[in-house]
Amino acid sequence: DGGITQSPKYLFRKEGQNVTLSCEQNLNHDAMYWYRQDPGQGLRLIYYSQIVNDFQKGDIAEGYSVSREKKESFPLTVTSAQKNPTAFYLCASSINAGRIGANVLTFGAGSRLTVL
Amino acid sequence: DAKTTQPNSMESNEEEPVHLPCNHSTISGTDYIHWYRQLPSQGPEYVIHGLTSNVNNRMASLAIAEDRKSSTLILHRATLRDAAVYYCILDSGGYQKVTFGTGTKLQVIP
Repeated sequence: DGGITQSPKYLFRKEGQNVTLSCEQNLNHDAMYWYRQDPGQGLRLIYYSQIVNDFQKGDIAEGYSVSREKKESFPLTVTSAQKNPTAFYLCASSINAGRIGANVLTFGAGSRLTVL
Repeated sequence: DAKTTQPNSMESNEEEPVHLPCNHSTISGTDYIHWYRQLPSQGPEYVIHGLTSNVNNRMASLAIAEDRKSSTLILHRATLRDAAVYYCILDSGGYQKVTFGTGTKLQVIP
């Protein structure tokens, strides 16, 4: 079945450590996104990528980095510069239909990061 | 980016219809209206989307006002599994980012 796989599901990190969250999709989607969700809050956009080797900052990119070397992969690194990294991280993808259609998003199950 | 406004929470009795409102007074002519829902500790799930006309699918119906400044997601018979946070978002299509607000938390009462 096609979908988005995020790993790990749960991750614990010590302060000052970088950590990388994996996101892989086999939907042949062009666009991929990373969101952060804090308890009781909505989703905030961290980074997004429309094509391979290109990505743009979202609303809260500081302290995060991404790469898009392959169409199916969009890993997110939470760096030590992120002051409050404990959150639920969601990866999504869309076919990116251009001006013809609408960007229907498919989400992964999420990764919960806790900083000790 | 055009914004949406939704009530923070709503309640519904089980097996009753539910109307979830969304205001988007600054919507542009090319913005699609999307609805997603999120169960606790899961990723959001696509529900329905539309541009101008009302839309129906197996999950729900979407009613869009004639001036497109508001829309309503309709769940015809609420079940306990429909208890979730429902997000109404606007998407310009094409190469534009998609952003989410805080949504409406729907509680279904047995």
